[in-house]
Amino acid sequence: RKEVEQDPGPFNVPEGATVAFNCTYSNSASQSFFWYRQDCRKEPKLLMSVYSSGNEDGRFTAQLNRASQYISLLIRDSKLSDSATYLCVVNRGYGGSQGNLIFGKGTKLSVKP
Amino acid sequence: ETGVTQSPTHLIKTRGQQVTLRCSSQSGHNTVSWYQQALGQGPQFIFQYYREEENGRGNFPPRFSGLQFPNYSSELNVNALELDDSALYLCASSLTSFGANEQFFGPGTRLTVL
Repeated sequence: RKEVEQDPGPFNVPEGATVAFNCTYSNSASQSFFWYRQDCRKEPKLLMSVYSSGNEDGRFTAQLNRASQYISLLIRDSKLSDSATYLCVVNRGYGGSQGNLIFGKGTKLSVKP
Repeated sequence: ETGVTQSPTHLIKTRGQQVTLRCSSQSGHNTVSWYQQALGQGPQFIFQYYREEENGRGNFPPRFSGLQFPNYSSELNVNALELDDSALYLCASSLTSFGANEQFFGPGTRLTVL
């Protein structure tokens, strides 16, 4: 089982749609969680951190369920500029080899006019 | 722009050759991590350097090695290149290696092995 698994996608949605991405992780010792966005042939960029209490940033809402080892990202009122690959990322822990990021394979989103 | 730079941007090598990729970290950051991203996959952790010492390693063979310099810039060296080494190589710098410090990625070096 992969350490971080995501919906395979791709997701093709019209502008204005609401889209949800799901992700599960296998290592219960994981400490911190993120969603990164990666545009075609570009580097990943942090979209948002994910907290147990849930957090929202404009049209984006992230949720974490530690008991189920499940992370989600909801995008409301999607825009053409949201088209990208969304990477679910887990950080094992603090310091040393635990300080590295474990990436999912990514889910590609295409928002159409 | 993150302030993390990488060179070269593109590179073509043949099997068996050796390659050195370079990364300059963001000002004030003492930790550099290297990742390999194959086409259609998420980045995979190669290793991390903190204050010039290797500070963790992923599941990559010893022919992948690295260095970090006193100014915290870093190199990734790959010996005996294989076709499967073709990928985007990303470096990321962070303020420290501890805690959930955000990692800032450079634009990557795209390596093609023929």
